[in-house]
Amino acid sequence: AQSVSQHNHHVILSEAASLELGCNYSYGGTVNLFWYVQYPGQHLQLLLKYFSGDPLVKGIKGFEAEFIKSKFSFNLRKPSVQWSDTAEYFCAVNAYTGRRALTFGSGTRLQVQP
Amino acid sequence: EAGVTQSPTHLIKTRGQQATLRCSPISGHTSVYWYQQALGLGLQFLLWYDEGEERNRGNFPPRFSGRQFPNYSSELNVNALELEDSALYLCASSLAPSGRANTQYFGPGTRLTVL
Repeated sequence: AQSVSQHNHHVILSEAASLELGCNYSYGGTVNLFWYVQYPGQHLQLLLKYFSGDPLVKGIKGFEAEFIKSKFSFNLRKPSVQWSDTAEYFCAVNAYTGRRALTFGSGTRLQVQP
Repeated sequence: EAGVTQSPTHLIKTRGQQATLRCSPISGHTSVYWYQQALGLGLQFLLWYDEGEERNRGNFPPRFSGRQFPNYSSELNVNALELEDSALYLCASSLAPSGRANTQYFGPGTRLTVL
């Protein structure tokens, strides 16, 4: 069975600091990869996704992620965070087996201090 | 474009009762997915419906069931409620399965509390 690991459970940064959130998955076959964000009091929103092609994908609000197949990783990055980026971030994987279920990581709570 | 909607927002039941949760997908989406977000357990896949049929099921007991209607809306039923069923239940929808592409869009969830 596939699994997803998010290494950082709680990250505290100051505004303008750079962000990198780790995500590793365990599945040897073809995968679709996602980052979702849940802002306080709001529902899960799609940040970005990777299906195929360029392993560096850009999402909304200045976020990007890089798929490194050899490392089974899909880390999320942002060069300069803002207070409004305070949220919980979830990495998710969908193994291309036809089952369509997303497997989520445990989430990373990001707190950006002004 | 309206997003995924869910009702009710909150639901309070007692142990042993049944709960019914509802979901309306984004217009044009035919697939509906249900997930449970329980404290300490993270987001776990429950069920996937497409074109009225159950296509896939997560590792949950049979008392978790559901259905999808001809208008693609869906119900999740939880029978014989247990205290550990208390959680946020999220519904997501996507376009019809086609190759690899499968982007799921989530609703706001129903908070189920079992007393």
